Order: sequence, then C-alpha cells, then structure tokens
Amino acid sequence: AQKVTQAQTEISVVEKEDVTLDCVYETRDTTYYLFWYKQPPSGELVFLIRRNSFDEQNEISGRYSWNFQKSTSSFNFTITASQVVDSAVYFCALSTQGGSEKLVFGKGTKLTVNP
Amino acid sequence: DAGITQSPRHKVTETGTPVTLRCHQTENHRYMYWYRQDPGHGLRLIHYSYGVKDTDKGEVSDGYSVSRSKTEDFLLTLESATSSQTSVYFCAISSGPRQPYNSPLHFGNGTRLTVT
Repeated sequence: AQKVTQAQTEISVVEKEDVTLDCVYETRDTTYYLFWYKQPPSGELVFLIRRNSFDEQNEISGRYSWNFQKSTSSFNFTITASQVVDSAVYFCALSTQGGSEKLVFGKGTKLTVNP
Repeated sequence: DAGITQSPRHKVTETGTPVTLRCHQTENHRYMYWYRQDPGHGLRLIHYSYGVKDTDKGEVSDGYSVSRSKTEDFLLTLESATSSQTSVYFCAISSGPRQPYNSPLHFGNGTRLTVT
C-alpha cells in the first residue's frame, strides 16, 4: 500500500526566511511518481512538480527547489526567501504503477509567511 | 486552465436528502476522479472513472455512488446525505491518456457541501 506522510501540520515563518516542507513516502513499487501541489487561501489546487522514481536529480525552479532521496524515501520541498504569496497549504502525493490509477495525498502542511 | 467545471460551487442540504454533484470537462480526458478534502485528512479519493460507464471505488467510497454516461461528465451522488459528508469535494482529471499514474491531476475549483 502507498502512504505519504507530511509530519509538519503547520509552519510559520517570517518573510525572506527559507523553509523546507518534509514529505516521506512508502511504497513497495519500484516505479512511482511523486508530486507537490499548492492550495492557496482561494482554495484551488495547483500542480507544482512531478518526479519519477528513476530520476533523483534535484530540481530548482526560481525560489523553489525539491530534494528527492530514495535512500530515505523523502521528497522535500524548499522555498528560498519566502514571500507572503507563498502562504498556502502544500500537499505531497504519490502514485505508483502497481497502484492503478490512484494518486495518494499526504495530509498537507499549512505554511504561513508573515510580513 | 484545464477546462473543469464543478457545479454547484456551494450547497447546503439536510440530512437524509439525496445530493448530486457534477463535474464537467472540456478536455476529452479518459480519467476522472472525485476527492473530498477535510481538515486533518488531506485529500481522499472517493471514486474514479477510467472511461464511459467504467468506474471504481477509492478509499472512502461508502455512502457515495458515481456515474459517467458521457466522457465529459462525471457525477457524484450522495444517496442519503449525512453530516459526516460535510466536506469540500474536488473533481480532477488526469492528463495522461494511457498511464495516468505518471501524469499530474488537474483539479476543479471544488464544491463546498454542508449537510445540516
């Protein structure tokens, strides 16, 4: 069975601080995909990134970066120099080749960036 | 914009009444999903569809049924609404035609359902 754990329920930082959101996953499949989604206060769900299990390269997109480590089953998300607009709930999710068509989500981390 | 419309956006209903939520897509994608979002639980899959008249259960399917008579529409029905079904419901489509597990989901804007 697949499982995603986001141990941090809520994080509060001051603007310009760096912040890392943790994601730990569990699966027995060797082929799987990991995702991050953002849900701002307006409520929509926005896809941020996808990473497959065969690609452990870290990825950077502007102030966002993702660190995928199979050895620790983690796919952490770092926001550098956070801004108030980064305030949102962030979800990590997992889907596997053996898990049919289902995307399993973590419970989310609520990030508040204070001015 | 992935072309997904959910209706209604908000609904208040009484315990025991039937409720149907509609998801409409303009993308002609094969896979469609219904999730519910609750505080402390994240997003949980209710049902999904992999084609017209082809549906399957998710992890929290009890009390819900679905139908898909056309590619573009995926309906979620609460046969007899209960207070525990008060939630925000999201419809999603997968952009992957054959291997949806490797494709991101694109979500509708959600339906906030309150059962009193």
